[in-house]
Amino acid sequence: AQSVAQPEDQVNVAEGNPLTVKCTYSVSGNPYLFWYVQYPNRGLQFLLKYITGDNLVKGSYGFEAEFNKSQTSFHLKKPSALVSDSALYFCAVRGGYNKLIFGAGTRLAVHP
Amino acid sequence: SAVISQKPSRDICQRGTSLTIQCQVDSQVTMMFWYRQQPGQSLTLIATANQGSEATYESGFVIDKFPISRPNLTFSTLTVSNLSPEDSSIYLCSVETSYEQYFGPGTRLTVT
Repeated sequence: AQSVAQPEDQVNVAEGNPLTVKCTYSVSGNPYLFWYVQYPNRGLQFLLKYITGDNLVKGSYGFEAEFNKSQTSFHLKKPSALVSDSALYFCAVRGGYNKLIFGAGTRLAVHP
Repeated sequence: SAVISQKPSRDICQRGTSLTIQCQVDSQVTMMFWYRQQPGQSLTLIATANQGSEATYESGFVIDKFPISRPNLTFSTLTVSNLSPEDSSIYLCSVETSYEQYFGPGTRLTVT
């Protein structure tokens, strides 16, 4: 069965420092992987996706993610965190019939 | 991309009543999805709605409780019936274009 794990409930980072939000997945076949961000009282916003090709995927707001097939990981990264990046981040994998299977979410807190 | 609107944005309903949530997309799409996000939790798919056919429900969700309509390629409704406090959640609709799922702003339901 397809699944996604986000091992950290919360990640704390100082503004200006690099950030990483971890995600590992379990799928049969080639994975389609996604990152979404949810700001308070707002819907989910698409950040980036990996379908095929380059293992390093660039997305919105300066975020990028690295697909690692051998480690079955798709970690979200940003070289320099902003306080405004503080939000809830979800990793997702595409399952059968195009449905998305979401991880539990990781709350990112960026401190000034 | 797709722009999705939902009505209402929030509601407070009494136990035993029903709430119908509307989802409107700015372009024609084949598949629409309805998700539930319980307080402090991740997203769970309720059902997939294709125009012209019955919705497909995920395990744990039934049509009597969550009837869905999909009258055309830009609109869908989700009804949450016979409300109980456990139904208090955010309900989100989404659509997929080019392997990316876009989400509406959500409907925050509180059942008293």
